[in-house]
Amino acid sequence: QVTLRESGPALVNPTQTLTLTCTFSGFSLSTRGMCVSWIRQPPGKALEWLARIDWDDDKYYTTSLKTRLTISKDTSKNQVVLTLANMAPVDTATYYCARMLGGGSTFDKWGQGTLVTVSS
Amino acid sequence: QSVLTQPPSASGTPGQRVTISCSGSSSNIGDYTVNWYQQLPGTAPKFLIYSNNQRPSGVPDRFSGSRSGTSASLAISGLQSDDEADYYCATWDDSLNGVVFGGGTKLTVL
Repeated sequence: QVTLRESGPALVNPTQTLTLTCTFSGFSLSTRGMCVSWIRQPPGKALEWLARIDWDDDKYYTTSLKTRLTISKDTSKNQVVLTLANMAPVDTATYYCARMLGGGSTFDKWGQGTLVTVSS
Repeated sequence: QSVLTQPPSASGTPGQRVTISCSGSSSNIGDYTVNWYQQLPGTAPKFLIYSNNQRPSGVPDRFSGSRSGTSASLAISGLQSDDEADYYCATWDDSLNGVVFGGGTKLTVL
């Protein structure tokens, strides 16, 4: 059974760096073809893809946030970490991690999401 | 705004068939397969359609997808009250070198 769970702070101050962890089970990110992405959704708004990391450590970032985002993995711990620097109120959103099979846009399993609010 | 264009809302009565469109360009839908996601209120998105028209295990055959040129569509037949949700299309975009989502369509079952 594949599961993913996001964890991290619920409240972040403006200008701080957000660090989110996706802990997963039921698959290995060292298996060829496996990928994990982060997607976010501001309250009442659409989904926005942020970043992806592949089994071979290839990384992809959304163009608009590329300078602020970092994605990494710890295969031994079954975790993927996302950092987003210089947080602002517009970054308030529910952040999801999702498994991908073979890249593209196929997110076959999603975590429940974690709401991050940016406020002083 | 979103790279992929969806109507913000759609509606139908129980038993009806509704379609939701997703319009893109040659750098995304024109070159890559489209996936669809269903997001019930207050929950995470769910994998609904992949590779334009394939259903993952467990998705009823009332849901179907298609792609033509730079557009795609999702059809739901035999509409049920449980289908009331937001629906998103997604695909890869060559110009952006990343995944793009539609703006989402809120389906209301009248």
